[in-house]
Amino acid sequence: GESVGLHLPTLSVQEGDNSIINCAYSNSASDYFIWYKQESGKGPQFIIDIRSNMDKRQGQRVTVLLNKTVKHLSLQIAATQPGDSAVYFCAENISTGGFKTIFGAGTRLFVKA
Amino acid sequence: DAGITQSPRHKVTETGTPVTLRCHQTENHRYMYWYRQDPGHGLRLIHYSYGVKDTDKGEVSDGYSVSRSKTEDFLLTLESATSSQTSVYFCAISRGPDSYEQYFGPGTRLTVT
Repeated sequence: GESVGLHLPTLSVQEGDNSIINCAYSNSASDYFIWYKQESGKGPQFIIDIRSNMDKRQGQRVTVLLNKTVKHLSLQIAATQPGDSAVYFCAENISTGGFKTIFGAGTRLFVKA
Repeated sequence: DAGITQSPRHKVTETGTPVTLRCHQTENHRYMYWYRQDPGHGLRLIHYSYGVKDTDKGEVSDGYSVSRSKTEDFLLTLESATSSQTSVYFCAISRGPDSYEQYFGPGTRLTVT
């Protein structure tokens, strides 16, 4: 598989604790946001999405919060497991004026057993 | 990575040589994308396609061309590879303009010496 030795912000958490990964997005016109997870040697995988008319959305063990006032997005992972160790990207999408998706640089989550 | 394959998975080539990377999907999705991933830059869009023979440039398209003669195949060509094109290349697909969720392939590591 493929991986990139990214020099990224790192979050280290104990197994079983909750994790919060933050993302500041750049464009106030962005109206749809996605969190992706990238495990070592693999391509990014979709985790959860949220539209700009929502503040919060929950999935299985994950919650995404959106604060449009300060252009901030967060991903909360409950009861973090070793399998959650990965790089997490936020992506912002602008639906007007054609296709445009911007990916954040990512945060590396390390889960200590 | 289900439904998306990339070939080759690894390639080492010399400066000035042409290189073609292939992305193949079995999902019949309309949209296909080529990204490169580099340390400190995250994922950056090179080109994308919104249908057979319909393509458009992304933010880092210089030095790259693409072709899509069939729904399932999207080719990325480096006409004359340079060392700055050493990167990990990801192909992605999505259903359409109202579905921003993208599914990524496993990636191709390209080294230009």
